[in-house]
Amino acid sequence: RKEVEQDPGPFNVPEGATVAFNCTYSNSASQSFFWYRQDCRKEPKLLMSVYSSGNEDGRFTAQLNRASQYISLLIRDSKLSDSATYLCVVRIYGGSQGNLIFGKGTKLSVKP
Amino acid sequence: DVKVTQSSRYLVKRTGEKVFLECVQDMDHENMFWYRQDPGLGLRLIYFSYDVKMKEKGDIPEGYSVSREKKERFSLILESASTNQTSMYLCASSARAGTSGNEQFFGPGTRLTVL
Repeated sequence: RKEVEQDPGPFNVPEGATVAFNCTYSNSASQSFFWYRQDCRKEPKLLMSVYSSGNEDGRFTAQLNRASQYISLLIRDSKLSDSATYLCVVRIYGGSQGNLIFGKGTKLSVKP
Repeated sequence: DVKVTQSSRYLVKRTGEKVFLECVQDMDHENMFWYRQDPGLGLRLIYFSYDVKMKEKGDIPEGYSVSREKKERFSLILESASTNQTSMYLCASSARAGTSGNEQFFGPGTRLTVL
């Protein structure tokens, strides 16, 4: 079983839509969780960390369910500029010096 | 602003050539990483380093080596390039685990083509 699994998409949504991505992780020792964003032909960049209590940053909401080993990202009122690939990322407890495990990403395309 | 730079954006080499990919970060980060990214396979860790002269193998180290002689610089070496090493190579750096979070900052990538 892959360590971090995501639906690759693509998710094609109209502007203004709400879209949700899910991610599951297999290692129960996973300690920290993140969503990264990667624009086409660009490097990944941190979008937001995911906290146990859930957290929100503007139109973006991240949730963590440790019991189900499941992470989600909700984007409200989608903008054209949200089009990108979203990478689910976990850090394993005890992993050497900050190693992260990346999912393969979910592609989002927001249409006018 | 954190900056991670890579020596080339695009590189074309021939099979059997020795290839050096250079990465420099300006944030005094302890950790540095080399990944390759291929369609359908995502980011795969090749090697990482958590201190000068220290290195550890990632998930796919075969055919690669690394060098970290200075804290700010981490080099990836392909001793004898092969066509299956055609890929996008991404360098990243982060502060020591437990400090300033675990955010990894990536360079712009080097697209390597081996003919």
